[in-house]
Amino acid sequence: DAGITQSPRHKVTETGTPVTLRCHQTENHRYMYWYRQDPGHGLRLIHYSYGVKDTDKGEVSDGYSVSRSKTEDFLLTLESATSSQTSVYFCAIRPDRGPYEKLFFGSGTQLSVL
Amino acid sequence: DAKTTQPPSMDCAEGRAANLPCNHSTISGNEYVYWYRQIHSQGPQYIIHGLKNNETNEMASLIITEDRKSSTLILPHATLRDTAVYYCIVSPRGGYQKVTFGTGTKLQVIP
Repeated sequence: DAGITQSPRHKVTETGTPVTLRCHQTENHRYMYWYRQDPGHGLRLIHYSYGVKDTDKGEVSDGYSVSRSKTEDFLLTLESATSSQTSVYFCAIRPDRGPYEKLFFGSGTQLSVL
Repeated sequence: DAKTTQPPSMDCAEGRAANLPCNHSTISGNEYVYWYRQIHSQGPQYIIHGLKNNETNEMASLIITEDRKSSTLILPHATLRDTAVYYCIVSPRGGYQKVTFGTGTKLQVIP
């Protein structure tokens, strides 16, 4: 599973509050990704990172920011959460070596914005 | 990046082969076909990938048509644990930066 840990696993918050989700990996791979999953939309890419301080936007980046100050951590922040951001959030990594064609996913964070 | 089309759902009897189709008619020459699956609410899991030749591993077989416009994932002897959503995506090798996983095919394996 490439040592991926997402935290928290579940979170309930109120509209307008800031929320930060954390993705932690133990193997120092460069590429990390944040996805959201909603019924009828599949998995959509929010942001990705290809190294420390190197990030780029995905398909649905509006309302989200990310930071990567250490190789092992990729943070996803909702500056002011909205109900439309209620979703399941998955982090993924792509190994730098070995099976670099594969994505390995975390267990997900269920976020509810009330 | 090329998009894919999959049937929303399929049923398969336990012990029989499950054949999951995927259409990717706009695939580019450098794009691979990847298959992932998602069991219940877990994170997706890689199954197999290929460029133009048929591929087989311990989980499944991948058949890609000669024109590469479609492919079929084959689970040779489906079990109840294979009940999942199966995603077909196309991407340059290891290049997931512009990839979106669609809604996939919900495979229900029936006892």
